[in-house]
Amino acid sequence: DTGVSQDPRHKITKRGQNVTFRCDPISEHNRLYWYRQTLGQGPEFLTYFQNEAQLEKSRLLSDRFSAERPKGSFSTLEIQRTEQGDSAMYLCASSLVPSGGSYEQYFGPGTRLTVT
Amino acid sequence: AQSVTQLDSQVPVFEEAPVELRCNYSSSVSVYLFWYVQYPNQGLQLLLKYLSGSTLVKGINGFEAEFNKSQTSFHLRKPSVHISDTAEYFCAVSEIHNAGKSTFGDGTTLTVKP
Repeated sequence: DTGVSQDPRHKITKRGQNVTFRCDPISEHNRLYWYRQTLGQGPEFLTYFQNEAQLEKSRLLSDRFSAERPKGSFSTLEIQRTEQGDSAMYLCASSLVPSGGSYEQYFGPGTRLTVT
Repeated sequence: AQSVTQLDSQVPVFEEAPVELRCNYSSSVSVYLFWYVQYPNQGLQLLLKYLSGSTLVKGINGFEAEFNKSQTSFHLRKPSVHISDTAEYFCAVSEIHNAGKSTFGDGTTLTVKP
């Protein structure tokens, strides 16, 4: 078990460009979460999947954001027409549900996005 | 909806001193409670969790936390800190019957000085 991995670790892009991030969860985990973290704040929930189904999306997730989890394994988060306000750390986490009721989430190292 | 307030944004302490990081939460339903630690350039790592039962929970690296339902608090404590405990600490809650996501506080930066 190598933990949750995210790629790339860093991304610098120009305003207006599209970017895509990938998350590979722990292999047996059926839930996958995306969070956004800006400087000085805690992670903010964006969306989560149970297997391939996207079960909840935050109001923070505008129409420019889309997430997928084909086949219930890895997930991608795409941001279209990036804006400077999108600059943040994007965190992915996974969990196994049910797991004795703990819903403990395991986090990846994050992808730091800088929009210039 | 839930919210989490971490009462101290920065806590400086000397090595081997005790420390308490304070966390209050608000929720209309029962919740699970978590403390995570984030070391520089690393992902969040679970320190400890409260699900049910004993209100005093012990976690990794000598940390413990006490759930106080009447005060809706979940303060994190360590009797003697080390330089290596320098990190960002996050308190989080999840609704028991809708634990699909966690709501996090804004974090407390613990700086341990020699």
